[in-house]
Amino acid sequence: DAGVIQSPRHEVTEMGQEVTLRCKPISGHDYLFWYRQTMMRGLELLIYFNNNVPIDDSGMPEDRFSAKMPNASFSTLKIQPSEPRDSAVYFCASSLGQGFTEAFFGQGTRLTVV
Amino acid sequence: SQQGEEDPQALSIQEGENATMNCSYKTSINNLQWYRQNSGRGLVHLILIRSNEREKHSGRLRVTLDTSKKSSSLLITASRAADTASYFCAPRGSASKIIFGSGTRLSIRP
Repeated sequence: DAGVIQSPRHEVTEMGQEVTLRCKPISGHDYLFWYRQTMMRGLELLIYFNNNVPIDDSGMPEDRFSAKMPNASFSTLKIQPSEPRDSAVYFCASSLGQGFTEAFFGQGTRLTVV
Repeated sequence: SQQGEEDPQALSIQEGENATMNCSYKTSINNLQWYRQNSGRGLVHLILIRSNEREKHSGRLRVTLDTSKKSSSLLITASRAADTASYFCAPRGSASKIIFGSGTRLSIRP
């Protein structure tokens, strides 16, 4: 398996534009996590899914952020409209089962909003 | 909160020395996991220790867990330049979420 795949790797956009980040989890994994990492706030859990269903979105910072998982092999994180303070590295991770299993991370998407 | 807190925040040692970093947490756990993050990359799982285990080894890594003190430590022996990275702990309880602290930034001096 190629691991967790995120696209794009880098995204530069202007304030006010819509941004969509994409993630393909490892085949067969039933949990998917979205994280945001900044120097100031560290690595924050935004939302996670189990079997394509959002379980906990309490980490989503504002209504401008939304995430979907239409099927087991694809998830998106959308920011609309984007703001400069959304600049960060966004990671997607997946795991099989809960608790006693490890999470596998993608390479991340570095988002810059100017 | 299920989040662990790593200590120290930063650690700089000479190549060949041992590096020890600690993790404290507040809730009951089923297991505790350690991850490494190289600059600009995603986190990579290093080792998992179950709540009924006190010590676990994997290559140059040694992890201890003291559930009475709600703490864990990660020891890297004979450090190498390639060990330069940030290290995170993730205490895992009954919830499915995985929450990370601020991490320990380890620098290995040549």
